[in-house]
Amino acid sequence: GAVVSQHPSWVICKSGTSVKIECRSLDFQATTMFWYRQFPKQSLMLMATSNEGSKATYEQGVEKDKFLINHASLTLSTLTVTSAHPEDSSFYICSATKGWNTEAFFGQGTRLTVV
Amino acid sequence: GNSVTQMEGPVTLSEEAFLTINCTYTATGYPSLFWYVQYPGEGLQLLLKATKADDKGSNKGFEATYRKETTSFHLEKGSVQVSDSAVYFCALSDGEADDKIIFGKGTRLHILP
Repeated sequence: GAVVSQHPSWVICKSGTSVKIECRSLDFQATTMFWYRQFPKQSLMLMATSNEGSKATYEQGVEKDKFLINHASLTLSTLTVTSAHPEDSSFYICSATKGWNTEAFFGQGTRLTVV
Repeated sequence: GNSVTQMEGPVTLSEEAFLTINCTYTATGYPSLFWYVQYPGEGLQLLLKATKADDKGSNKGFEATYRKETTSFHLEKGSVQVSDSAVYFCALSDGEADDKIIFGKGTRLHILP
């Protein structure tokens, strides 16, 4: 089966610092990766869609300068939360697809706590 | 630990057929339950949710009832359309010590005209 590995699974950082989260497809090439955020006691929110070699497409209301997404290869996408603040504390999940109209495979998620 | 099990696909139906996609869960505490849908080429969208036992979530003709006694949250629709072709994910959120969301493996639905 297809495996998506997300790292780290949890991270604590100081306010004002930046944090990078990695999403890797371990045994397949991911043409598209998605980044989601879950707010406490709410449903998942799509942040951005990332295609290899091109700029990410951000959903309305998501600050592209704050949440930097890089999809440098077919197996790796990164989300960098820049100048993190406590309100950025959340659970972030990535998913990857092998191609258009194929199943999505999810990473295990990253719990970010900004103190 | 918490987990979600949903029926494997693909599921192929004719237009206007009745749809059921089974989902069962194991969880401690009182999780919230969700169905998400992923249309071709797009990201996940929340389809419906239920936050406590006996709640019924509904949207776009889809329904699911939170059954604590059977730990189930089956997705149903009375008459499917070609445009319903997508992948459907059942999910739960612990909502207590950890808000981590846990997904089922997804069920691909094909609707034939």
